Amino acid sequence: GAGVSQTPSNKVTEKGKYVELRCDPISGHTALYWYRQSLGQGPEFLIYFQGTGAADDSGLPNDRFFAVRPEGSVSTLKIQRTERGDSAVYLCASSLNGQTGLFFGEGSRLTVL
Amino acid sequence: GQQLNQSPQSMFIQEGEDVSMNCTSSSIFNTWLWYKQDPGEGPVLLIALYKAGELTSNGRLTAQFGITRKDSFLNISASIPSDVGIYFCAGQLQGGSEKLVFGKGTKLTVNP
Repeated sequence: GAGVSQTPSNKVTEKGKYVELRCDPISGHTALYWYRQSLGQGPEFLIYFQGTGAADDSGLPNDRFFAVRPEGSVSTLKIQRTERGDSAVYLCASSLNGQTGLFFGEGSRLTVL
Repeated sequence: GQQLNQSPQSMFIQEGEDVSMNCTSSSIFNTWLWYKQDPGEGPVLLIALYKAGELTSNGRLTAQFGITRKDSFLNISASIPSDVGIYFCAGQLQGGSEKLVFGKGTKLTVNP
C-alpha cells in the first residue's frame, strides 16, 4: 500500500505475556519511528531508526521494550512481560530521511488485562 | 523532558467561525509540524514549517513558525463540521535527534 501499515490493529493479551507489533513503512522511507499514545495524550516518542540502526532509543521506558529493523524496512516492536500500564495505542511513522514530516500508520491498540 | 505547551486544551465553536491554537516552549525548535487526529486513526500531517518566520497555508489552514523558534500557531478559517478532531503541534528540537516532540493536543468541536 501507499501508507504506513501496522499490524495487528488490536491486540488483547494477559499480564506477563510477550507481544510483537509490526510496522511496514512507506516504501523508500529511511527513517522509522515508534510512538506510544495513551488516552487523552499526545504521542510519546519511543525509538527512531535511520536505516537498520536505532539512532535514538531514549524514549523506551525500560528494558522490557525492544525494537528491531533488520533490513531497513519493516520494524517490529517487542514487549516482554507485559504490564497493565503498557496498554496504549502504539503508533509507527516513517519519514523520507528524518528531515521531513512524519507519516503515521493507524496504530496498534494494545490492551493488557 | 522537553515540553510543548499547547493551548487551548479544547474549543467549542460554531460552523463558519475562525479558530486559532498555538504551541509554546522554552526550547528552540528546528521544525514545527501540525497534525490532526480523528478517533481510531493515526495523526495526519497538515502543515510542516522549516524556517523561523515561515508562514504556510494549506487550504483553509495557515500556520506560522515563530521568529524566536520557540512557538507556532495554527489558524483554521471558516470552520466546517469535518474540522472536528484533535490537533497536535510537534517539533524537532535544535541539537536533538530527528524525533518529534508532541503537544497534548487541542480538541476541536464544531457545532453545525
